[in-house]
Amino acid sequence: DARVTQTPRHKVTEMGQEVTMRCQPILGHNTVFWYRQTMMQGLELLAYFRNRAPLDDSGMPKDRFSAEMPDATLATLKIQPSEPRDSAVYFCASGLGLEQYFGPGTRLTVT
Amino acid sequence: AQKITQTQPGMFVQEKEAVTLDCTYDTSDQSYGLFWYKQPSSGEMIFLIYQGSYDEQNATEGRYSLNFQKARKSANLVISASQLGDSAMYFCSTPPRFYNQGGKLIFGQGTELSVKP
Repeated sequence: DARVTQTPRHKVTEMGQEVTMRCQPILGHNTVFWYRQTMMQGLELLAYFRNRAPLDDSGMPKDRFSAEMPDATLATLKIQPSEPRDSAVYFCASGLGLEQYFGPGTRLTVT
Repeated sequence: AQKITQTQPGMFVQEKEAVTLDCTYDTSDQSYGLFWYKQPSSGEMIFLIYQGSYDEQNATEGRYSLNFQKARKSANLVISASQLGDSAMYFCSTPPRFYNQGGKLIFGQGTELSVKP
């Protein structure tokens, strides 16, 4: 049963530190998405890739966030420097066609 | 711009009964799709069902079905024979337009469903 995997599952860090979240999409999927979920904002799309090319990252604060796909099996979301307002659950999802399958999420707490 | 509205923050349903979760959308696209996801307390997002705007039949997937009314721009999720394990948050969403460059996927605010024994 193929699944999207994300690491780490939980991360606690201090303000100002760099945070890197990783995602392994389902093999064969050609789209990868990064979402952020908070109580206040709900689910927000941060960025998405198709065939490893970034298609839309307009939802991402450019000054501190960056998303990359170094290869087809790895997507990364980096925050540098992190701030308390970045505390959220970050989901990665992958898809082939219209369906999207979500990973378990990374719960980030920035103190 | 695309927009999804879920007007029911919380719903209760008796086990074994059917429940309808509302979703209305606003889009100027001619071709679009609508997803429903389930998020249990464990936090994972589980894909449930998809409806394409040009699909003539309402989508069904096991106990899940979509009451798709294009003229009213609504895509309500119907869960038949509710089970205790159906207790979760349910999100309606519309996906990016894969045939175009860009386009944000929009989620509604969600409906928290509680199934009572």
